[in-house]
Amino acid sequence: EPEVTQTPSHQVTQMGQEVILRCVPISNHLYFYWYRQILGQKVEFLVSFYNNEISEKSEIFDDQFSVERPDGSNFTLKIRSTKLEDSAMYFCASSLRGDSPLHFGNGTRLTVT
Amino acid sequence: SQQGEEDPQALSIQEGENATMNCSYKTSINNLQWYRQNSGRGLVHLILIRSNEREKHSGRLRVTLDTSKKSSSLLITASRAADTASYFCATDGGNFGNEKLTFGTGTRLTIIP
Repeated sequence: EPEVTQTPSHQVTQMGQEVILRCVPISNHLYFYWYRQILGQKVEFLVSFYNNEISEKSEIFDDQFSVERPDGSNFTLKIRSTKLEDSAMYFCASSLRGDSPLHFGNGTRLTVT
Repeated sequence: SQQGEEDPQALSIQEGENATMNCSYKTSINNLQWYRQNSGRGLVHLILIRSNEREKHSGRLRVTLDTSKKSSSLLITASRAADTASYFCATDGGNFGNEKLTFGTGTRLTIIP
């Protein structure tokens, strides 16, 4: 069964550094998402992406965050200047249509020191 | 309570017993979904129920939805050790599609062999 893959599985970075989290969505899916989960807390929506543009974003997704689909397969989340509170599991997801179930990757654990 | 609150927060049962988890939400919805998360992994979609449906089955899973009470329940029958995981409900807030799912706090289910 097709999977959403994310790399790296764990990223450690120093405060103020830029990080790029990478995702390969399922190939025929058209909608892409980033969610995050701070340890022990809820899974929170960050951003959705469709037709090469952001379709919706949350309050968390401020100017420090950006997403890109640089080619036909990758979908990236960039955090320009990481803060301690950005430490979390970041999940990429994709869906075939806007109202179909989401398929999640296994996440990237980001630790900001 | 916040949007998407599951109860109980934790549930331990003997293998073979049935497990029931509940979810309450606040806004209108088009659909409600249930996801499972094994420790350290991504979320796996289990079942989607639309706002005009009252009950849905998938294998050992049974989901009910009461839009008048803004609540849903997930029943897992004949539980197995492999069902040990966290279970989350997710709502779309009445928006078209899944662009901004709101997840609940989750129920941690432990099946005792």
